[in-house]
Amino acid sequence: NAGVMQNPRHLVRRRGQEARLRCSPMKGHSHVYWYRQLPEEGLKFMVYLQKENIIDESGMPKERFSAEFPKEGPSILRIQQVVRGDSAAYFCASSPSGNYNEQFFGPGTRLTVL
Amino acid sequence: GENVEQHPSTLSVQEGDSAVIKCTYSDSASNYFPWYKQELGKRPQLIIDIRSNVGEKKDQRIAVTLNKTAKHFSLHITETQPEDSAVYFCAARRPDSGYALNFGKGTSLLVTP
Repeated sequence: NAGVMQNPRHLVRRRGQEARLRCSPMKGHSHVYWYRQLPEEGLKFMVYLQKENIIDESGMPKERFSAEFPKEGPSILRIQQVVRGDSAAYFCASSPSGNYNEQFFGPGTRLTVL
Repeated sequence: GENVEQHPSTLSVQEGDSAVIKCTYSDSASNYFPWYKQELGKRPQLIIDIRSNVGEKKDQRIAVTLNKTAKHFSLHITETQPEDSAVYFCAARRPDSGYALNFGKGTSLLVTP
């Protein structure tokens, strides 16, 4: 059973470009969470999704950020018009529908904005 | 919202000694408290967790204690080894938060041989 997959692992963008981060949850997991980790900081919750639904986006900036988890395919975190402050590691986690407590993390995408 | 404070931010111990990391939380409704270990450049990995109906849980050299009255919980690592060196994060979850975890800022543990 493969773990949570994220790609790309490293992403470099120039200011004003768009960044697309992908997350494939573990097999059988229908809950996906996105977290952002700034250098030497803890993980900050951004958004929680189930298939085709955003359940909680209280941690996600209102502008430029969006997330989706379509019926088919990975979850996508999209950042439009990136700025230098968006540089961070973005981690995705997933949990099985029957046990919502334990979250398994992916390897993260390290976004660098030049 | 839930606020999780974690101390110390750095901790250095000799191999074989014990290490203790403490966290406090603000929302008395929080009911789930996991601990994650993150090695440099790697993903956070769950090492132990505790639910609010339990006061203590142990798994080999790792134990977690929870004091609901005082709203704090602690991670205890005994007989530390160099491979325990990593950043450790505590987290708390409110039942009405949509399952989001609120993390502390982390403790960088260094175990020296």
